[in-house]
Amino acid sequence: GQQLNQSPQSMFIQEGEDVSMNCTSSSIFNTWLWYKQDPGEGPVLLIALYKAGELTSNGRLTAQFGITRKDSFLNISASIPSDVGIYFCAGQGSGGSNYKLTFGKGTLLTVNP
Amino acid sequence: SQTIHQWPATLVQPVGSPLSLECTVEGTSNPNLYWYRQAAGRGLQLLFYSVGIGQISSEVPQNLSASRPQDRQFILSSKKLLLSDSGFYLCAWSVLEGGNSPLHFGNGTRLTVT
Repeated sequence: GQQLNQSPQSMFIQEGEDVSMNCTSSSIFNTWLWYKQDPGEGPVLLIALYKAGELTSNGRLTAQFGITRKDSFLNISASIPSDVGIYFCAGQGSGGSNYKLTFGKGTLLTVNP
Repeated sequence: SQTIHQWPATLVQPVGSPLSLECTVEGTSNPNLYWYRQAAGRGLQLLFYSVGIGQISSEVPQNLSASRPQDRQFILSSKKLLLSDSGFYLCAWSVLEGGNSPLHFGNGTRLTVT
């Protein structure tokens, strides 16, 4: 089955620093999604990418859909303490599987004030 | 706007007892519905998905079952819980729009089987 490799597994940074995380896949996806999960809550959709090469921003967050359709990255600029949480990438296929997502294992982000 | 409700938020059940977790979606029609389990290791495992009333697909063999008695209601059940059923259970919905259908999650149920 499809698998996503998400890295890094965890990050410890100082407030104000920029953050970068990425996901790679052995398979092509038609959609890349980035979620954030706060402790004890469900993941919340941050950014959705629908076209290869697409670069999309949401406030201090920027994500790109790789041109090969097998990878994506998420950048967070000028991190703040509330950025703490687990960030998940997810890929979505097409045709008969377009309603199912393949998730990465997450990046645990810790921001030191 | 669409909202998803999942309850209870936390649950402690003894081994061998039955389970029923409920999820409802408001503000949309004919959504795709999903049950995920998140273990302590953070990964999200798809358990069941449904594309319509009475239509349930199981992704992994397990001690759990799912039902969709109404368009916007999705229920996760077990007749007899096992210790290994402990985890964080997440319900999610999606609606296909223009070929795209990102998932939107509920706030989850923390299940502890003792």
